[in-house]
Formats: sequence, C-alpha cells, structure tokens
Amino acid sequence: KAGVTQTPRYLIKTRGQQVTLSCSPISGHRSVSWYQQTPGQGLQFLFEYFSETQRNKGNFPGRFSGRQFSNSRSEMNVSTLELGDSALYLCASRFGQGAMNTEAFFGQGTRLTVV
Amino acid sequence: AQSVTQLGSHVSVSEGALVLLRCNYSSSVPPYLFWYVQYPNQGLQLLLKYTSAATLVKGINGFEAEFKKSETSFHLTKPSAHMSDAAEYFCAVSEVQGAQKLVFGQGTRLTINP
Repeated sequence: KAGVTQTPRYLIKTRGQQVTLSCSPISGHRSVSWYQQTPGQGLQFLFEYFSETQRNKGNFPGRFSGRQFSNSRSEMNVSTLELGDSALYLCASRFGQGAMNTEAFFGQGTRLTVV
Repeated sequence: AQSVTQLGSHVSVSEGALVLLRCNYSSSVPPYLFWYVQYPNQGLQLLLKYTSAATLVKGINGFEAEFKKSETSFHLTKPSAHMSDAAEYFCAVSEVQGAQKLVFGQGTRLTINP
C-alpha cells in the first residue's frame, strides 16, 4: 500500500512569496498532521486536520495555514515567506483519532529553501 | 505541558557494540511514547511505540525500549550496532486527546564506527 506522498520534494522560493505544499495520506487515513523541521528548533507541530476540520494548531504565526479536502489530501500554505521559513516540512497521516490511532506515518518531506 | 529530553545530541559506538539512546519525558497524563529514525533526506520511520500495554517494547531492526514510569524514561537500546543503524533518532510523546500532536526531542545522531 502506498505511503504518505508529499509534493514537491524540493522547492526554492524568494522572500515575500507564498508557497503551497501538498500531502496525500495513506489510503483510508483521515488524519493529517504537519511538522516543521529545522536545525535550530527541531521538529515542531504545525497543525492537524481530521475530516476537513483543523483539530489542533501549534504555535506558529498566521502566515502558516492549511486545509484538508474531502479525499483527506491536505495542503499547507505559507504566505509572505521569510528566510527563517527554510525547513523540511513533514506530513504525517493516521487512520483516525483517539487512543486506538496513535501511530503516525510520515512522508519524505518537502525541503523548502527561501532565498 | 509535554516535553521530551534526549540526552546526548551525538552518540558514537563501534559496530557490534551496545546502542543506548536516552529519552526522558514530561507529561501530565499517562503518555504514549515513540521512537522514530530519520535517514538523510528522508522522513521519519517509526521504530517502536509504547501505548500502556507492555513496558518493554520491541521494535523493528532489533531495537527495543523500556518504559520506566518512576524515572520518566523511555531509553532505546540495541544489543549489537550495525553500520546501517547510523541515522538520527527522535523520541516523541503524545497525550491521548481528541486531536493529537507529537512533541519531539531534539534528536540524537548515532554514528557507527567500523
């Protein structure tokens, strides 16, 4: 069964631009989470979506947003890019929510470089 | 609030030697604990998870971890290191809620010496 697919794998953007990253979860999984990974801050939770609703949000500015579609695919958007947004953005999918659905499967990530 | 501390940002062992990666957590409720491995330019792969069943958890690639509530620890071990174990390892904690997020430690880079 196919894993979590993130596109694109690599992206270079200019400061001030906006960017959209895409994540297709494992078939049948309804929960998608996004994480930012940087050398300085490590892995930080951005947000989680379940059934097209944002269920949890990390401590990031409003420039970071996301959404989930009816087929569970998710996108995240970063507007007005800053140099500090350069990071590996990881998407994770889970079957559902609650105690029986704790295992998150990660995609390979999108490497965003802001110049 | 939850937190995870991984002791040692870099660990180096010889091939065939014991691997011990340390993780301590803080959680206000019984936690769910995970170890993930990340190879260069890759995402995270789950090694093992603790979900309040057995305190000694066996994972993939010969790794195991023991949950010790009294010490708030979840250290990762492997009896004999292999060159292919060289990677970055992350310990993570999650509280069971309607919506979940993983809180990660800063990671430990494991180097295997031939």
